[in-house]
Amino acid sequence: SQQGEEDPQALSIQEGENATMNCSYKTSINNLQWYRQNSGRGLVHLILIRSNEREKHSGRLRVTLDTSKKSSSLLITASRAADTASYFCATTRDGSARQLTFGSGTQLTVLP
Amino acid sequence: DTEVTQTPKHLVMGMTNKKSLKCEQHMGHRAMYWYKQKAKKPPELMFVYSYEKLSINESVPSRFSPECPNSSLLNLHLHALQPEDSALYLCASSARLRTVTNAQETQYFGPGTRLLVL
Repeated sequence: SQQGEEDPQALSIQEGENATMNCSYKTSINNLQWYRQNSGRGLVHLILIRSNEREKHSGRLRVTLDTSKKSSSLLITASRAADTASYFCATTRDGSARQLTFGSGTQLTVLP
Repeated sequence: DTEVTQTPKHLVMGMTNKKSLKCEQHMGHRAMYWYKQKAKKPPELMFVYSYEKLSINESVPSRFSPECPNSSLLNLHLHALQPEDSALYLCASSARLRTVTNAQETQYFGPGTRLLVL
């Protein structure tokens, strides 16, 4: 069953702009991860944030987590055309560290 | 080597055929996964193997039969599939160690096998 919902479903921005994607989930979680998927290919892990963390950075990526609102956001700064992809949040539930449940995804298009 | 490989890249099969998808990793990971992904949808977990034993089956129909011959290989045997089974099938692996850290919970995905059932 679908755990998370993401918005927007699609986002189109100009190169150099920032992109923000949001994810909401329903049950308590161990951690929340963000993955990227280029068209029809495998997923690439971007960043993991634990349930007791509020913010995390990795290069041009910034992830926030608000467990009270059951939501997370992914910010990509200074976007590039190569960032064009689908972005999924994924959660693991308490006691089930290996069962990833993916959100519905955001299709990001970065225009050169 | 942080790569998960999958073969074949593309597969077309009839509803009476028997075929197999293969997945391989040489990262020493002891957890391996099969996911199914329909177009414009997120991946959905099918099976999890831990230390070569099936630990999770997400109520997948028996026409999908997973097999883990050793710690590096994962197969998905297909038989009597339906057209609605057409999808991208993704394999993934992750470390399974007693001490849990961020890196150990990351799943590494293969490029997938795009399956078309006619």
